[in-house]
Parts: sequence; C-alpha cells; structure tokens
Amino acid sequence: EPEVTQTPSHQVTQMGQEVILRCVPISNHLYFYWYRQILGQKVEFLVSFYNNEISEKSEIFDDQFSVERPDGSNFTLKIRSTKLEDSAMYFCASKLQVNTEAFFGQGTRLTVV
Amino acid sequence: QKEVEQNSGPLSVPEGAIASLNCTYSDRGSQSFFWYRQYSGKSPELIMSIYSNGDKEDGRFTAQLNKASQYVSLLIRDSQPSDSATYLCAVTGEGGYNKLIFGAGTRLAVHP
Repeated sequence: EPEVTQTPSHQVTQMGQEVILRCVPISNHLYFYWYRQILGQKVEFLVSFYNNEISEKSEIFDDQFSVERPDGSNFTLKIRSTKLEDSAMYFCASKLQVNTEAFFGQGTRLTVV
Repeated sequence: QKEVEQNSGPLSVPEGAIASLNCTYSDRGSQSFFWYRQYSGKSPELIMSIYSNGDKEDGRFTAQLNKASQYVSLLIRDSQPSDSATYLCAVTGEGGYNKLIFGAGTRLAVHP
C-alpha cells in the first residue's frame, strides 16, 4: 500500500543550526502539507504546497521556515536557525485531490538543544 | 479563529462495549470531516472520512455528521484493547487548499 515516507525519524540539533526534514509523498498525490505537534498539544498546520508553490501558510510558518519540492518525489521542510521552541514532531501529509483524505507520514521528531 | 473541540478524556470502556467519541466545530463552512487515530509517539492514522449529513459505517466504526448542529461523532463497536489510543477529529474549511484543523483529541482506554 502506498505511504508517505519521512526521514529522519529523529533529529537532534543545536539551537541556531539549520535542519532539513525530508518527505516522499504518495506518488500520484498533488497536494502536500507540513504539520507539527508539540508534545502534549494539538496537531497544527504549517504550510500547504501545490503546483510547485506555497498555497497557504500559518502564522507559525515565518521567515525561518521554507519548503521545496526539489524533484518529482521529495518534499522538504527547512528550518534555517532552529530555536528551542521548534522541538516537536513534524508530519508530512499528502492528498490526491484537494477534497480527499490526507495521509500522514510517520513523522520526524525534532529535538533542539 | 476556527476551532475544533473534543473532550480530552480519558474515556474508559470495557472490552466489547461501544465507545462514543464526540466533536464540535466552529466554522459553519467546513465541508469535510475526518477521524484519525494516534498512538502515543506515532503519526495520525486515518480511520474515517465523512462529507454529508448522516451516518457512514466501515467495519466496527460509524461516523455521524450533523452540519446543522456542527457536530461529528465516532462510534466504535466491540471495542478492543488495541483501540486504546487518542482519537483526533479534523475538519477542513471552504476554499483554500483544505488544510486540516485538528481537535486536541480524546484519549480512549479499553480495558479487558
């Protein structure tokens, strides 16, 4: 069964360092998303991406964040200068069509020390 | 601010019983409704989707939607200990690219 794949599963980084979280969405899906979940809190929307551009972003997604689809399969989230409060689980999700179900990857646990 | 509200629980039910999980949402323009299951430390796993008023059944799961009351529910019949998890209600709004707005989740504990 097709699935969304994320790497790495766990990343530890020092405050101020750049991190890149990687995702391979389901191959025929067209809509891509990043969400995050701080421990014990809700899953929060960060950004949506369609047709090679950002379609919507939340207030959390400030200038420190960027997304890219560098080739036909990968979808990346970059955090330029990590802060302690960026520590969270980051989930990638993809959809076939805009009104269909979103399928989530297994997540990347980011720990900023 | 669009909100999705759920009772945090824990909801404790005996094995074999029916578990009933509820969710309300604030955006009357919401069009699509989903239930995800999340085990501790894992990602959300899609259980059910529902798009129109009424009931939708899939195996032991039934989703119910009432748009007039802005209310979504999930029934789990013949609950099993493996159903113990946090159940997340998620809704999408009209327009845009249909990001998901999640509730905080209801923790379900099924005891043998």
